[in-house]
Amino acid sequence: NAGVTQTPKFQVLKTGQSMTLQCAQDMNHEYMSWYRQDPGMGLRLIHYSVGAGITDQGEVPNGYNVSRSTTEDFPLRLLSAAPSQTSVYFCASSSDRSGYEQYFGPGTRLTVT
Amino acid sequence: AQRVTQPEKLLSVFKGAPVELKCNYSYSGSPELFWYVQYSRQRLQLLLRHISRESIKGFTADLNKGETSFHLKKPFAQEEDSAMYYCALRIGGFKTIFGAGTRLFVKA
Repeated sequence: NAGVTQTPKFQVLKTGQSMTLQCAQDMNHEYMSWYRQDPGMGLRLIHYSVGAGITDQGEVPNGYNVSRSTTEDFPLRLLSAAPSQTSVYFCASSSDRSGYEQYFGPGTRLTVT
Repeated sequence: AQRVTQPEKLLSVFKGAPVELKCNYSYSGSPELFWYVQYSRQRLQLLLRHISRESIKGFTADLNKGETSFHLKKPFAQEEDSAMYYCALRIGGFKTIFGAGTRLFVKA
């Protein structure tokens, strides 16, 4: 099993550009989520999904969109990148079968100039 | 409001010394708490969860509902324990919130 995969690993955007961060898992987990990690602020929940076709907002959803068309994939879209979105983004998946343990991807380091 | 607080951003101890990483939570429901660890150049991974009452790599954590705390402890720190530690709270369903994290540095 590859677990949770994320692409790309690094990305540099100019202000106003849009892009999609990819996340996939092969563990058949119902729950997937996106976090951003900023120094001194820990991990903050952006959006999450409890199954295909179902998404909801987390703590810091503004400027981001998500969709969940399949169980495996949960892409995060930045609509119009801003320097405040410079961060490390983590995707995670979970299941009640695993006791709600979050399995994390390797992260995407995004810089917006 | 639900919240996880880790008051120390950085904790520095000598090898062989005891270590305690503090975590306090605010939640009106029945809490389910976790500790996650991120070693250098590795993914975030689960260290332990309170319902298992387990000891992993010598670390233990006890849920104290009266003090709303879930501190992580180890009697003798090792250099390989140096990492970023996050306390996390499951707040119903699958949703999990994290604290700001504590960087532990174990000096030789």
